[in-house]
Amino acid sequence: QVQLQESGPGLVKPSETLSLTCTVSGGSISSYYWSWIRQPAGKGLEYIGRIYTSGSTNYNPSLKSRVTMSVDTSKNQFSLKLSSVTAADTAMYYCATTAVTGEAFDIWGQGTMVTVSS
Amino acid sequence: SYELTQPPSVSVSPGQTASITCSGDKLGDKYASWYQQKPGQSPALVIYQDTKRPSGIPERFYGSNSGNTATLTISGTQAMDEADYFCQAWDSSTVMFGGGTRLTVL
Repeated sequence: QVQLQESGPGLVKPSETLSLTCTVSGGSISSYYWSWIRQPAGKGLEYIGRIYTSGSTNYNPSLKSRVTMSVDTSKNQFSLKLSSVTAADTAMYYCATTAVTGEAFDIWGQGTMVTVSS
Repeated sequence: SYELTQPPSVSVSPGQTASITCSGDKLGDKYASWYQQKPGQSPALVIYQDTKRPSGIPERFYGSNSGNTATLTISGTQAMDEADYFCQAWDSSTVMFGGGTRLTVL
């Protein structure tokens, strides 16, 4: 069974770039879409975007100007960069995939909390 | 932009049926999915493609989607079903989530 694990700094300064990595274990990263979703404390879920193993991406239009995703198939990892962060970007960040169902987020990581503060 | 609307809260007595709605323009023309999130945990998929249950999800979870409304129904609700529930749909290659519904079993 595929498992996902997020990693990265828990604290980022305003105006800097948030960088997170998701490591895929228990299966190959190849031939699926890999997504990032975030959730501010006590609030709802927000889709950030997804990347295919070929490198093709789709981003949420509301974040598109600040988001970059990449994939490293040799390490079975994919990554998120979010630039020019503000306090509004403080949230739990989840990586997820639609690998099983093809269109719903059927496997999630445990999430990593990122706080934007000086 | 496309929006999905859920009631903030729903209450149900143990053993009774809970219904959680998700409304969006012509939502019935899209596939709806539902996620359960318990405190301190990641969301978990409970319904996809309107009516399908992933492996391990009890049969008491049932989904439907028609017109402008998708509905998650939980029959014989148990205390363990108390959680936040989020609907989700795809719109033009991006994903929309509903604001979430807190299900209270009392």
